[in-house]
Amino acid sequence: SQQGEEDPQALSIQEGENATMNCSYKTSINNLQWYRQNSGRGLVHLILIRSNEREKHSGRLRVTLDTSKKSSSLLITASRAADTASYFCATAATGANSKLTFGKGITLSVRP
Amino acid sequence: ETGVTQSPTHLIKTRGQQVTLRCSSQSGHNTVSWYQQALGQGPQFIFQYYREEENGRGNFPPRFSGLQFPNYSSELNVNALELDDSALYLCASRFTGANTGELFFGEGSRLTVL
Repeated sequence: SQQGEEDPQALSIQEGENATMNCSYKTSINNLQWYRQNSGRGLVHLILIRSNEREKHSGRLRVTLDTSKKSSSLLITASRAADTASYFCATAATGANSKLTFGKGITLSVRP
Repeated sequence: ETGVTQSPTHLIKTRGQQVTLRCSSQSGHNTVSWYQQALGQGPQFIFQYYREEENGRGNFPPRFSGLQFPNYSSELNVNALELDDSALYLCASRFTGANTGELFFGEGSRLTVL
């Protein structure tokens, strides 16, 4: 079963614009992570936010977490064509850090 | 530092056959987990190995089995293949004990069952 539900399913923006992706989940978590996947290849970890954190930054990425609403958002600022990929949110329950529950993913297309 | 490597990258099997997929974890990592990703879906957790023992399993039948070796490499075995087993199989590693939940994924093995 997939806990994370990303929104929107697909997003198309112009290079230089910001991309905002949302994720909702159902159960209590230890942390929430965002991964990126290019064309059915391996996943690359982008950023992790713990359940006691509300916001985190890494380069052009900003992630927020609202545990009361069981939701998270990932913001990519000043997007580039190279950001075109699928993005997944994944949640980890307490004590089960290797078991991640992924959503179905968001397909981001950045037009040059 | 060597990343996670998987083999083979692609393979085709027929229904009823058996398959073994291999994974070498990232240097220094002692925990390996396997995920199945069907086309257009997110990865689903199959199981996890730590110190050569399975210590977590997702909703997969017993015909999905695995091994972890002393060097922390791992195998995923699937018996009696079914058409729905066609997917990308991803291996991920981490160091249990590190204060991070980040997983490091390999490029995957794409299995097609005909």
